[in-house]
Amino acid sequence: SAVISQKPSRDICQRGTSLTIQCQVDSQVTMMFWYRQQPGQSLTLIATANQGSEATYESGFVIDKFPISRPNLTFSTLTVSNMSPEDSSIYLCSVSMRTGFGEQFFGPGTRLTVL
Amino acid sequence: DAKTTQPPSMDCAEGRAANLPCNHSTISGNEYVYWYRQIHSQGPQYIIHGLKNNETNEMASLIITEDRKSSTLILPHATLRDTAVYYCIVRALLDSNYQLIWGAGTKLIIKP
Repeated sequence: SAVISQKPSRDICQRGTSLTIQCQVDSQVTMMFWYRQQPGQSLTLIATANQGSEATYESGFVIDKFPISRPNLTFSTLTVSNMSPEDSSIYLCSVSMRTGFGEQFFGPGTRLTVL
Repeated sequence: DAKTTQPPSMDCAEGRAANLPCNHSTISGNEYVYWYRQIHSQGPQYIIHGLKNNETNEMASLIITEDRKSSTLILPHATLRDTAVYYCIVRALLDSNYQLIWGAGTKLIIKP
């Protein structure tokens, strides 16, 4: 298993600004993912964070809006850029120990409210 | 892509077995079925997964039908702390990467 922390745990931001969310894992992991969970909804995968290279984005998500970094095997950041109220969601980081393995461990999430 | 269908909500009495159904009629032969749960205000938690055979661990049992078109998660002795949204998820190979395709989940309420 892995222990995952996210910062900040929550934030209230103004329209048009950007917020960077950090994800820290207590051990080296193979895969890191970023999800969005809109109020009352299930999870939607935003992207897979790749160490040392550009993230792999899912359909409907683009790098300009959600830039992601992963400088090493234990840390990643997700930035929500030029925010609008529609970006109000919980953003979750998850990790997996193996390539292609579906057992993922999730962080506690970052609750973002955009005014 | 295989999709999953779950009842939106279920109730279960404390101490009884909770049986949560899931339909995944379009699942292909190499796709695993995963179950996660999400307790209010927390990140999802892995429960169990399987491909063809029934599986059991310290949290739950997973029963997969022979045709693999449906499965049931069994919590043998439900407690109040098992109240959560339970997600039945299919792992699929998309664009050379394995991903979890999340459905809407079942809100399970354990009643005293």
